[in-house]
Amino acid sequence: EAGVTQFPSHSVIEKGQTVTLRCDPISGHDNLYWYRRVMGKEIKFLLHFVKESKQDESGMPNNRFLAERTGGTYSTLKVQPAELEDSGVYFCASSQADRASYEQYFGPGTRLTVT
Amino acid sequence: RKEVEQDPGPFNVPEGATVAFNCTYSNSASQSFFWYRQDCRKEPKLLMSVYSSGNEDGRFTAQLNRASQYISLLIRDSKLSDSATYLCVVSSYSGAGSYQLTFGKGTKLSVIP
Repeated sequence: EAGVTQFPSHSVIEKGQTVTLRCDPISGHDNLYWYRRVMGKEIKFLLHFVKESKQDESGMPNNRFLAERTGGTYSTLKVQPAELEDSGVYFCASSQADRASYEQYFGPGTRLTVT
Repeated sequence: RKEVEQDPGPFNVPEGATVAFNCTYSNSASQSFFWYRQDCRKEPKLLMSVYSSGNEDGRFTAQLNRASQYISLLIRDSKLSDSATYLCVVSSYSGAGSYQLTFGKGTKLSVIP
């Protein structure tokens, strides 16, 4: 069974540009999460989809970030316009159910560098 | 106060040593607890869940003390392949409709031949 995949693995863009990150969850997982780790900090929750609906976007830093999950399959996270402080590693995770005890499976991450 | 705090590390230990990691969390309503392992430039992977009764998986033993809001991980007979960053992770209901994972910064372990 394929795990969570993310694309691209790396992205280097200039301040002010737009970048779109993609996440394909494990097949059949309705729950999809985005997390981010900026340099020197811990991994932090951004948002949670259940199928195509945003269940919780309390961790989104500001309105420059837009996440979508049309059709309830893959998800995209767009940063527009990118700022220097957006640099970091963006992880996607998926889970069969949104329960405290359920494992979330992480993708390899997209390393974003904004110059 | 950080939500999840861990030993800053790094821990450099010889092969065969026993090493212990500690973690405290601030949200008393947290419901589930985990140790994740993250290799350099890789994704976090679940190492083990942590239960109040304590649980063991081979060389790894995890303990949870809810009263003290304290979690520990003990690795016995360290192997070179145990070298990684160990993340203490807590699952809590966000109040906004989902269970969120809250991560510690991680403790880096290097097992030396």
